Amino acid sequence: DTAVSQTPKYLVTQMGNDKSIKCEQNLGHDTMYWYKQDSKKFLKIMFSYNNKELIINETVPNRFSPKSPDKAHLNLHINSLELGDSAVYFCASSQDGIGTGANVLTFGAGSRLTVL
Amino acid sequence: AQTVTQSQPEMSVQEAETVTLSCTYDTSESDYYLFWYKQPPSRQMILVIRQEAYKQQNATENRFSVNFQKAAKSFSLKISDSQLGDAAMYFCASLRGSNYKLTFGKGTLLTVNP
Repeated sequence: DTAVSQTPKYLVTQMGNDKSIKCEQNLGHDTMYWYKQDSKKFLKIMFSYNNKELIINETVPNRFSPKSPDKAHLNLHINSLELGDSAVYFCASSQDGIGTGANVLTFGAGSRLTVL
Repeated sequence: AQTVTQSQPEMSVQEAETVTLSCTYDTSESDYYLFWYKQPPSRQMILVIRQEAYKQQNATENRFSVNFQKAAKSFSLKISDSQLGDAAMYFCASLRGSNYKLTFGKGTLLTVNP
């Protein structure tokens, strides 16, 4: 079973369209994240949810809207897509607390978004 | 704000040899964690090793070990007996105690030559 799964893995779309990327984790983790990896491979956090509550909202255009229907799911919806939104988007999750596994992010396989 | 600096955009190593990837970080926190992640061409992000700042002992995971110099804010990764499968982009990252925000360096692309 995949621990953190995100769909779709590849997405090609036209400028101005609206698209969503879904993420699910079966690890029982409390916290989920969206990271963006740009063309230079730089990884930057976008959002984080802890038990369905938004705890991190970086300087991201409000065209990006995360939604967490429950602790195991964190979806990313993007409105009015722009060329600069082309990137790989990673979903991740982590367990709170202390101990060996705490605070270790487990990543999904990434979703490559190409905006034409 | 935390910053993580990887000064080597690219490194190469011969198979079976040892290579060290550099990382420095900047934080004013006393409670933090440091990580090395590996991203092979498959683009999957894979945890290589984790270090808690309060632990003086350097973390090791089989052929991977770190040299954690807390005063110098340095966290280098040593890969021993390099294998072809070690070829990947390696990211150093830091996390404040309960901050949830993992900050990444820009990565070092490691090539392993047969």
